Amino acid sequence: ETGVTQTPRHLVMGMTNKKSLKCEQHLGHNAMYWYKQSAKKPLELMFVYSLEERVENNSVPSRFSPECPNSSHLFLHLHTLQPEDSALYLCASSRGGLGRTEAFFGQGTRLTVV
Amino acid sequence: AQTVTQSQPEMSVQEAETVTLSCTYDTSESNYYLFWYKQPPSRQMILVIRQEAYKQQNATENRFSVNFQKAAKSFSLKISDSQLGDTAMYFCAFMNEFGNEKLTFGTGTRLTIIP
Repeated sequence: ETGVTQTPRHLVMGMTNKKSLKCEQHLGHNAMYWYKQSAKKPLELMFVYSLEERVENNSVPSRFSPECPNSSHLFLHLHTLQPEDSALYLCASSRGGLGRTEAFFGQGTRLTVV
Repeated sequence: AQTVTQSQPEMSVQEAETVTLSCTYDTSESNYYLFWYKQPPSRQMILVIRQEAYKQQNATENRFSVNFQKAAKSFSLKISDSQLGDTAMYFCAFMNEFGNEKLTFGTGTRLTIIP
């Protein structure tokens, strides 16, 4: 248990559905991340939030919409996804700023778009 | 932009042997952090070892050690006395000391420990 919890663990959704992924950490970290992990591809950084402000957005399609309401929670809102969006979505957190440390990861949400 | 390269997609080794996973990176920064993460079939990414670039001494965590060559921008992971539980994907990762919180990963090496 790393202290980062993701829900749900598995999600199957149709292309017209709207769903949200949730990530929660109680480690006192102030940076949170969304990564996409597809088969046979490297981890793709999607979004980074530092002190609840988005500091990185790696040209992610607008059908993915992140939200960071506070330093402990991070959401990824999904709508009108495509089958190629099926992947493992990993959330992570770290103590950002000076003296930053390694990132701690959740167990991921396995997303299947049908 | 920083890049991290892992040139070995897959490796296998007999149990109890030693294996070295390679990683190179590219950056213009002088201070940064390097990490090795392990992702077993359970999907949980777990930190294996961490190195701060300003420290010349190679990091060591029990059976895991690194060979950090700053000038060559190389950061290899050595696993001694390998165990079946070491079977996993291993990712090398880079983070700047300053600036945004971007953590960049390599493509990973799938390591299989053979009984």
